[in-house]
Amino acid sequence: NAGVMQNPRHLVRRRGQEARLRCSPMKGHSHVYWYRQLPEEGLKFMVYLQKENIIDESGMPKERFSAEFPKEGPSILRIQQVVRGDSAAYFCASSPDFSYNEQFFGPGTRLTVL
Amino acid sequence: TQLLEQSPQFLSIQEGENLTVYCNSSSVFSSLQWYRQEPGEGPVLLVTVVTGGEVKKLKRLTFQFGDARKDSSLHITAAQPGDTGLYLCAEPGVKAAGNKLTFGGGTRVLVKP
Repeated sequence: NAGVMQNPRHLVRRRGQEARLRCSPMKGHSHVYWYRQLPEEGLKFMVYLQKENIIDESGMPKERFSAEFPKEGPSILRIQQVVRGDSAAYFCASSPDFSYNEQFFGPGTRLTVL
Repeated sequence: TQLLEQSPQFLSIQEGENLTVYCNSSSVFSSLQWYRQEPGEGPVLLVTVVTGGEVKKLKRLTFQFGDARKDSSLHITAAQPGDTGLYLCAEPGVKAAGNKLTFGGGTRVLVKP
């Protein structure tokens, strides 16, 4: 059973471009969480999704950021018009359901904005 | 959302020494998880503690949950270079709201051979 997969592992964008980060949860997991880790800091919750639904986006900036988890395919975190402050590691985690005690993390996507 | 404070922020020790890292909050934890994150990777769950006063052991790692459930510690005996990493404590949220995790700032541990 493959773990959580994220791609790309590294992404470089210039200011003003769009960044699209992909997350494929573990097989059988229908709940996906996105977290952001700034340099030398812990992880901060951004958004929680189930298939085709955003359940909690309280940690996501109101502008430029969006997330989706379609019926088919990976979850996507999209950042429009990136700025230097968006440079961070973005981690996706999945779980079988919301009551499951453990979240399984992917290896992350490291976004660098030039 | 309560704040989780971890200390120290950074710890550098020689192989074979012991170390302890701490996680504190002004509020009571519902439960607490400890993760280890290696460079370039995502966090991996080490343990979940639930009951005040609980002690759990995982090989050379000992986890304690304070009696009042406001603090927790992770003790590593005879540290090895493979223990190097970022140690994070995290509190799961309300299950009905999706169980999102609130992380502390982490303790970066370097074990030198």
